[in-house]
Amino acid sequence: NAGVTQTPKFQVLKTGQSMTLQCAQDMNHEYMSWYRQDPGMGLRLIHYSVGAGITDQGEVPNGYNVSRSTTEDFPLRLLSAAPSQTSVYFCASSYIGSGNTIYFGEGSWLTVV
Amino acid sequence: AQSVTQLDSQVPVFEEAPVELRCNYSSSVSVYLFWYVQYPNQGLQLLLKYLSGSTLVKGINGFEAEFNKSQTSFHLRKPSVHISDTAEYFCAVSDQLSGYSTLTFGKGTMLLVSP
Repeated sequence: NAGVTQTPKFQVLKTGQSMTLQCAQDMNHEYMSWYRQDPGMGLRLIHYSVGAGITDQGEVPNGYNVSRSTTEDFPLRLLSAAPSQTSVYFCASSYIGSGNTIYFGEGSWLTVV
Repeated sequence: AQSVTQLDSQVPVFEEAPVELRCNYSSSVSVYLFWYVQYPNQGLQLLLKYLSGSTLVKGINGFEAEFNKSQTSFHLRKPSVHISDTAEYFCAVSDQLSGYSTLTFGKGTMLLVSP
C-alpha cells in the first residue's frame, strides 16, 4: 500500500522556469490537497480538491495551478518559479467520513535560485 | 475561518522529564483537532486526534492531549520524554461542517530533548 506518493523529492529550479510536482494516492480518497511548509510558518494550504474535476484555492494559491482529472492524481504546477516559492511541499489526501483525518506524502523539497 | 496558536516555538527539556506543548485555537464552528509530529527531513505523522467523545485523547509514542472547549485549547502532554522525541510538533484544526477536508496549522513547536 503506497499511500500518498510525491515526485520529485528534491528539485532545483531557476527563476522563471516551470515545473510540475506530481502527487498520486492509491487509497481511492475523494479529497486531496497541497500545502507548503516554510520555517516558522507551519503548513499553509495552497489548493485543494473534493473530487475529480473540482478544485479550489486555499490560503496561498498565487503562482500555482492545479487540476484533478482523476481521483488518484493531483499535480501542482508552478508556472514561473520565483525564489519565494522555495519551500517544502506536501500533498495530502483524505476520505469522506474520516473526520478530516489527513494522510500526507513525504514531501518535495524545492529550491528556486 | 479558524486559527491556531502554538504558544511556544521551542521547548527544551531533559530526558525523562514531563512535557506539555500548548495549543489554542479560534473558530466560530465546531472543529476536529489534531497533533502531528515531524522528525528532521521527514513528512508529517499523525500523533493523535480529537473528533468527539472523551476529551482526553491518547496517541502514539505515549503522548496524550486534552480538549478543553471552554478554554479552546488542545495541549499535548507526555509524562516522560525520550531523546527520540526530539522533533517539531504541529497542532491543527479542521472545520467539522465545511464538507471538505483541509487543515489549519499552527506554526509549530520544536521539542528539544537533551540527556
